[in-house]
Amino acid sequence: NAGVTQTPKFRILKIGQSMTLQCTQDMNHNYMYWYRQDPGMGLKLIYYSVGAGITDKGEVPNGYNVSRSTTEDFPLRLELAAPSQTSVYFCASSKTSGRSETQYFGPGTRLLVL
Amino acid sequence: AQSVAQPEDQVNVAEGNPLTVKCTYSVSGNPYLFWYVQYPNRGLQFLLKYITGDNLVKGSYGFEAEFNKSQTSFHLKKPSALVSDSALYFCAGRDTDKLIFGTGTRLQVFP
Repeated sequence: NAGVTQTPKFRILKIGQSMTLQCTQDMNHNYMYWYRQDPGMGLKLIYYSVGAGITDKGEVPNGYNVSRSTTEDFPLRLELAAPSQTSVYFCASSKTSGRSETQYFGPGTRLLVL
Repeated sequence: AQSVAQPEDQVNVAEGNPLTVKCTYSVSGNPYLFWYVQYPNRGLQFLLKYITGDNLVKGSYGFEAEFNKSQTSFHLKKPSALVSDSALYFCAGRDTDKLIFGTGTRLQVFP
């Protein structure tokens, strides 16, 4: 199993551009998550999904959109990139939403908005 | 409000010495606590978790964590540090529907 994979690894965007961060998992997990990691801030939840066709907002959803058309894929869309979206983005997945359930993370996408 | 705190930004330890990375928590109900490690340019890797039961939890790579309910702590420990343990360590606690992460502690092990 590859686990959770993310593309691209690194991207530079100009202000106002759009892009999609890709995330795929091959563990047949129902739950998927997008986090952003800012220096000294830990990880913040952007959006999550409990299954295909179902998504919900996390702590910091503004400026982002998601979709979940399949169990495997959970892309994150930035429509109008802003410097405040410069961050490292991590996708994660888990089998259930149980409180003891472990989340498994992808390698991350480093995004720089100039 | 639920929270997880890692009071040290960085911990320095000599190779072969024991290491401790501190974490305190404030979550409602029974705590479900996790430790993750992040190596440079990599994603977070799961180390161990506390659900219930034994207060000493054993995890990957020789790490263990001690749960202390009275002190609301979940410190990560290893008896003998390796240079390869140098990384960023995150403590996390489970809220009802999401993980709450601490700000991370950078562990530097010197040869």
